[in-house]
Amino acid sequence: DADVTQTPRNRITKTGKRIMLECSQTKGHDRMYWYRQDPGLGLRLIYYSFDVKDINKGEISDGYSVSRQAQAKFSLSLESAIPNQTALYFCATSEWTRSTDTQYFGPGTRLTVL
Amino acid sequence: TQLLEQSPQFLSIQEGENLTVYCNSSSVFSSLQWYRQEPGEGPVLLVTVVTGGEVKKLKRLTFQFGDARKDSSLHITAAQPGDTGLYLCAGRERGGSGNTGKLIFGQGTTLQVKP
Repeated sequence: DADVTQTPRNRITKTGKRIMLECSQTKGHDRMYWYRQDPGLGLRLIYYSFDVKDINKGEISDGYSVSRQAQAKFSLSLESAIPNQTALYFCATSEWTRSTDTQYFGPGTRLTVL
Repeated sequence: TQLLEQSPQFLSIQEGENLTVYCNSSSVFSSLQWYRQEPGEGPVLLVTVVTGGEVKKLKRLTFQFGDARKDSSLHITAAQPGDTGLYLCAGRERGGSGNTGKLIFGQGTTLQVKP
């Protein structure tokens, strides 16, 4: 079984709808992240959480919110989806050490907002 | 926010050719990572370089971290169709009183190796 899972894998929705993307991990990592990927822009950080009680905004958090329900679960919500939120969304986990911070990514959710 | 400029953005070559991908910044990173992503999947870590001037080899892939820890390169020797994919560099921000551990990603290089 995959260590980091995301649901759904694909979603088409309409402008103004509320959408929730879910992420679960079995790696036992405290740190979890949500990124979006757009062609030519690489991966941009939306929100990150270093433990269940710690939630932080990334570089592009406007229009998004998150919930860390447990160590293993981190959900991303779009309260009122708009077309420019059409993108590939990735959840990731990591176990920080002083020398490195390897991120383990889920398979991604392709979201289309019409 | 620190920025990473990756070049080229697209590269299409024939099997057997060599190539180099560059990742540059005006900022210093505490470490730098290279990831590879295939269609329909998330990025997967290839290597982490930590020390300025460090060189790591992974079969036909050679990774180098600049002396000043502001830039990095990925060199592939005798590319094969299986090397096709999106290559992403990611620099770890240097924290102040506490290291955030966040990664800053470059825009990515899409590599196509034709048989």
